[in-house]
Amino acid sequence: TQLLEQSPQFLSIQEGENLTVYCNSSSVFSSLQWYRQEPGEGPVLLVTVVTGGEVKKLKRLTFQFGDARKDSSLHITAAQPGDTGLYLCAPHSAGNNRKLIWGLGTSLAVNP
Amino acid sequence: NAGVMQNPRHLVRRRGQEARLRCSPMKGHSHVYWYRQLPEEGLKFMVYLQKENIIDESGMPKERFSAEFPKEGPSILRIQQVVRGDSAAYFCASSPPGIADTQYFGPGTRLTVL
Repeated sequence: TQLLEQSPQFLSIQEGENLTVYCNSSSVFSSLQWYRQEPGEGPVLLVTVVTGGEVKKLKRLTFQFGDARKDSSLHITAAQPGDTGLYLCAPHSAGNNRKLIWGLGTSLAVNP
Repeated sequence: NAGVMQNPRHLVRRRGQEARLRCSPMKGHSHVYWYRQLPEEGLKFMVYLQKENIIDESGMPKERFSAEFPKEGPSILRIQQVVRGDSAAYFCASSPPGIADTQYFGPGTRLTVL
């Protein structure tokens, strides 16, 4: 069984602060997806990273895939209340029959 | 280009009734996945289907649950003789052929069993 750990589990910050959330495993992945889920809605795909060391930016969000493709981080600059939500990382292992692995996510609250 | 559609968004059933959840994938997508999410828990994979084929049903309960993705029409997740423990949010996702990992989710169906 592949284990996936996301940290922190909960994070409450003030508007304008920076934050980083992490996604870690001992397994090597072929790719990794980050999603954001708001209450009562389905997860929304933010980004896919594929190459070890890859960095992708989406406005104030910066995603990094670890060099060994075992971990990833999401950094948010100058957080806004609209960033509030559950951030899920979902890596994919080659040969895992297209199944993504899901952690419990990081629940972020950005207070005005 | 419409996203993944699920209906109904909310479904209330009494114990012993049947629940039918429908999912229309994004245009051009031929792979469908069903997940269940309980409060304070993560997404749990249930089943992966292609048109007219069940590829992986390792996450499906052995009894009362079934899924199909016919040649025409939406994918259906069917729960027979529902029990209170079936109350959850059920999400469908789809992905295009040839891309194994990028899945796009629908808004979910919230099933409540009274």
